[in-house]
Amino acid sequence: EIVLTQSPGTLSLSPGERATLSCRASQNVDGNYLAWYQQKPGQSPRLLIYDASTRATGIPDRFSGSGSGTDFTLTISRLEPEDFAVYFCQRYGSSPLTFGGGTKVEIK
Amino acid sequence: QVLLQESGPGRVKPSETLSLTCSVSGGSVSGYYWGWMRQPPGKRLEWIGNIYYSGPTTYNPSLRSRVTISVDTSKDQFSLKLRSVSAADTAVYYCARGRAWNDAFDIWGQGTVVTVSS
Repeated sequence: EIVLTQSPGTLSLSPGERATLSCRASQNVDGNYLAWYQQKPGQSPRLLIYDASTRATGIPDRFSGSGSGTDFTLTISRLEPEDFAVYFCQRYGSSPLTFGGGTKVEIK
Repeated sequence: QVLLQESGPGRVKPSETLSLTCSVSGGSVSGYYWGWMRQPPGKRLEWIGNIYYSGPTTYNPSLRSRVTISVDTSKDQFSLKLRSVSAADTAVYYCARGRAWNDAFDIWGQGTVVTVSS
């Protein structure tokens, strides 16, 4: 099973700042089958990025994903008030699908 | 707009079977891939398993011996059964639509809390 480790656990930033979130896999992620989700309290997860760098439908271009192999990054270029949430990564492609523990982006 | 809604008992007794249904509205189960996840309190999301609308399934090896996922295309629903539950199965359970087989999930239900307690 591929374990995903996200860092930092919490990121304290101000609106307008750049957020950089990391997701590190315990083994190579074949095909770069890595997704990123946003989750707000009381809401279900929202797919932001799939295949490591492809934005899902309707996702603003301030969200971008990069990386390959075992190291992946989600970047939010300029934080909007609605972007303060928990973000987690997911590895897919073969069983078992696994999720990271999440990074909370909070208002500084 | 496709919406997913989980339904089922909010409380299940230890050793019994947890049964949840995911109803798809604004679309059809046919032609798509569906999955179940759960998130225990304070823990990360855990993938339970997937099903294709025509019936093929894949399960998390850690739960395979206790899980069955099925689909009912006539009702646009798919279901989860988890047998022999214990307190460790207490979680928020989510259903979701997969982009493809064993892929990312692009639409999620709101989640339903299931507590295992006598």
